[in-house]
Amino acid sequence: GAGVSQSPRYKVAKRGQDVALRCDPISGHVSLFWYQQALGQGPEFLTYFQNEAQLDKSGLPSDRFFAERPEGSVSTLKIQRTQQEDSAVYLCASSSSRGGYEQYFGPGTRLTVT
Amino acid sequence: DAKTTQPTSMDCAEGRAANLPCNHSTISGNEYVYWYRQIHSQGPQYIIHGLKNNETNEMASLIITEDRKSSTLILPHATLRDTAVYYCIVRFQGLNAGNMLTFGGGTRLMVKP
Repeated sequence: GAGVSQSPRYKVAKRGQDVALRCDPISGHVSLFWYQQALGQGPEFLTYFQNEAQLDKSGLPSDRFFAERPEGSVSTLKIQRTQQEDSAVYLCASSSSRGGYEQYFGPGTRLTVT
Repeated sequence: DAKTTQPTSMDCAEGRAANLPCNHSTISGNEYVYWYRQIHSQGPQYIIHGLKNNETNEMASLIITEDRKSSTLILPHATLRDTAVYYCIVRFQGLNAGNMLTFGGGTRLMVKP
């Protein structure tokens, strides 16, 4: 079946622009996670949704980062006034369990801020 | 979540078993050991997880020592497609928030022909 999809796969933004990254989780998956992966590093947690509720946003690096999942399925990660340090791969993962035991990852969106 | 220590890189000959070690000496009784891998330019992929018993699935085997302070992921017959970064993660398994995965540096496994 279809896995987690993310769009766009690549995004180039000029510093100061706003960007929106989309995640389509596996149908019916309750839990949704966003991670940020800098070049050569392991992914780092950003935020977590259980259905439409954002239960943990402790990993968001600044108030320029905002995530939503209004109907408990598709999620959008928005970054306002992008900075060069925001350049990274943004990964989305979903899980059928409330505990997020087995997380299925999408291919990621590579964001480059110039 | 407990911290894990893995070798930075390992090589393995194609067709041979790949044994990837992980130390997690501060693991607590209710923390599970998870393994994920990340092939170049892809998202991480779940491999296997366990609490204290050894586990096996179609991808790999997980051997956890009796004191649970270390574990080994075994790929029985490594292929070139198993070349990836392998992450050992220790996490509490609960139903509420805080169930993110905490990735370390992982082990870069290179399978050579």
